[in-house]
Amino acid sequence: SAVISQKPSRDICQRGTSLTIQCQVDSQVTMMFWYRQQPGQSLTLIATANQGSEATYESGFVIDKFPISRPNLTFSTLTVSNMSPEDSSIYLCSVAQGPANEKLFFGSGTQLSVL
Amino acid sequence: AQTVTQSQPEMSVQEAETVTLSCTYDTSESDYYLFWYKQPPSRQMILVIRQEAYKQQNATENRFSVNFQKAAKSFSLKISDSQLGDAAMYFCAYRSLLNTGNQFYFGTGTSLTVIP
Repeated sequence: SAVISQKPSRDICQRGTSLTIQCQVDSQVTMMFWYRQQPGQSLTLIATANQGSEATYESGFVIDKFPISRPNLTFSTLTVSNMSPEDSSIYLCSVAQGPANEKLFFGSGTQLSVL
Repeated sequence: AQTVTQSQPEMSVQEAETVTLSCTYDTSESDYYLFWYKQPPSRQMILVIRQEAYKQQNATENRFSVNFQKAAKSFSLKISDSQLGDAAMYFCAYRSLLNTGNQFYFGTGTSLTVIP
C-alpha cells in the first residue's frame, strides 16, 4: 500500500486566515481525494484532486473555499480559505489503489482548530 | 445514493473476548466492495478488512472476520481475542464496483472500548 505523508498534523488558526495542507505519496497514484471529518462525525468527501486539471468538488464544497492543487501524481494540497470555527475538523488525504482502485488508503490527517 | 448504517455508536468488550460490530447498507447494485476501517486516537484511518460482494466466502484477516449476508445487506465485523490496541473508532464503508469515480460511502462509526 502507498505511504501517505500529510502535514501539518495539527494547527490552530485564527478566523479569517487560510491554511494549506500538503499530501505526499510515495508512489504515483491516479486517484487522490480530500475528506473532512467533523468532530464525532463520519467522513465526508470534499473533492477529487485531478492531476493537471481542476478538482471535482462534491455538493456543498466550492473551489473558492477549498482550492486544491495536484501538480503531479504524487502530491496534492488542500487550502481551507477564510476560515471560521465551523471549519474545525480533521482533514484527510487519501488515495485509491488496487486493480479497480477499490481500496482507499489515508494519510494521518490534519487536526484543524479555528478560533 | 448508497447509505451505510452503523447502529451501534459505542461498544465495549473485555480483553481477550469477542465482539461483533454491526453494519447494514442500502444499494441496488449487485457488484460492490465492503470495508471495515479502524481509526485509533492517532486519527490514522487503517484498512482492516475487505469483502467483495461476488464472493460468498467471508473475508478473514487474523483476528478479524466478517459475516457478509448479501441478501440481508448486512456486513458485521467480528474481532476475536480482543486486545487493548483494538480500541478505536470503526467505520464500515461501501464502494461501488461500477462507479469509476470515488464514492466510498462511510457509516457513522462505532467507538470500541476494550476493558482490561
